[in-house]
Amino acid sequence: RKEVEQDPGPFNVPEGATVAFNCTYSNSASQSFFWYRQDCRKEPKLLMSVYSSGNEDGRFTAQLNRASQYISLLIRDSKLSDSATYLCVVNPGAPLVFGKGTRLSVIA
Amino acid sequence: GAGVSQTPSNKVTEKGKYVELRCDPISGHTALYWYRQSLGQGPEFLIYFQGTGAADDSGLPNDRFFAVRPEGSVSTLKIQRTERGDSAVYLCASSLNETGHTNQPQHFGDGTRLSIL
Repeated sequence: RKEVEQDPGPFNVPEGATVAFNCTYSNSASQSFFWYRQDCRKEPKLLMSVYSSGNEDGRFTAQLNRASQYISLLIRDSKLSDSATYLCVVNPGAPLVFGKGTRLSVIA
Repeated sequence: GAGVSQTPSNKVTEKGKYVELRCDPISGHTALYWYRQSLGQGPEFLIYFQGTGAADDSGLPNDRFFAVRPEGSVSTLKIQRTERGDSAVYLCASSLNETGHTNQPQHFGDGTRLSIL
């Protein structure tokens, strides 16, 4: 079993849609969780940290379920500029462990 | 800018050659990480430094790969006798401290795209 698993997509959604990404992780000792965004041929950029209580940043909401070892990202009112690959990232120690990423295409 | 800087941005070389990839972290960041990303994959950990010492090099694929950070700032990733399978984007990241359990994010450079012919 891979340490971090994500649905690779692609998710093709119209502008304004709500889209949800899911991720599972295998190391129950993991303490920190993140979503990174990566545009084509660019470096990963931190989108948001994920906290046990769930957290929201504008149109983005992240949830963590430690019991199920499950992380989610919800994007509301999708914009064309949201098109990118979304990487689920887990931190069982100092180096980050990345999922393969989920590709999102928002279509006009 | 004040971000993580990596050079060169692109490197094309022949199989069997030696390459050096450089990373200049964000000023004041004590932790520095090297990752490798192949097409369609997420970044995979190679090695990380806390200060001058390699705190974890368990991700280095074999002894052809080596990295140094002699003064606790700039780091160089060195690959000997390159093979075609080494072709990938090599990403460097830095954080203020060990990410560990402190939820501190890592900030990535633009990467070096290495192509071995």
